[in-house]
Amino acid sequence: SAVISQKPSRDICQRGTSLTIQCQVDSQVTMMFWYRQQPGQSLTLIATANQGSEATYESGFVIDKFPISRPNLTFSTLTVSNMSPEDSSIYLCSVSGLTSGYEQYFGPGTRLTVT
Amino acid sequence: DAKTTQPPSMDCAEGRAANLPCNHSTISGNEYVYWYRQIHSQGPQYIIHGLKNNETNEMASLIITEDRKSSTLILPHATLRDTAVYYCIVRVVGQGAQKLVFGQGTRLTINP
Repeated sequence: SAVISQKPSRDICQRGTSLTIQCQVDSQVTMMFWYRQQPGQSLTLIATANQGSEATYESGFVIDKFPISRPNLTFSTLTVSNMSPEDSSIYLCSVSGLTSGYEQYFGPGTRLTVT
Repeated sequence: DAKTTQPPSMDCAEGRAANLPCNHSTISGNEYVYWYRQIHSQGPQYIIHGLKNNETNEMASLIITEDRKSSTLILPHATLRDTAVYYCIVRVVGQGAQKLVFGQGTRLTINP
């Protein structure tokens, strides 16, 4: 499987500010995704990051709040905008298309705390 | 994607087989059963997947009932490092059908 890294690994931010999270894969992948995991909860898909076009967002998530970029086949960013304490979560990127089985492989996550 | 039902928690003794059940009674004919696990503070890890035949890899075995309405993930010799939340997911596989919908999973605790 590919090596997936995320930066930063954790951060503490003030409400009203924005944070950009980076996801880097060591090989080209077909699909990249962003998930959120709120404290004590399961994972929820935010959006699919499409290379060269606008991301596809899930119900309840909007581009103004979570702008996403994917300039190439190995890199994506997720920005959490105008943060509030409710945005405190772990944000994870995942990739697929490495094998014919379409398994998704996850990065280590970014732990965000908003004060 | 179909919904799954898993017990919220299970315990297993170290060295014994851990059998994690999953019900997916509304699974469609073209949906696969996937298992992931999430060890504390890490990203989920892919374990295994199957359509209708039983599958085995270096991590686990997957037993799917003949009617495909339920399955069991088997960790043959559980170790303390297998303590994690295990997610059973059913999904269509193929280009353009990539979404993973996570339920609450089963919190498996391996006891020494």
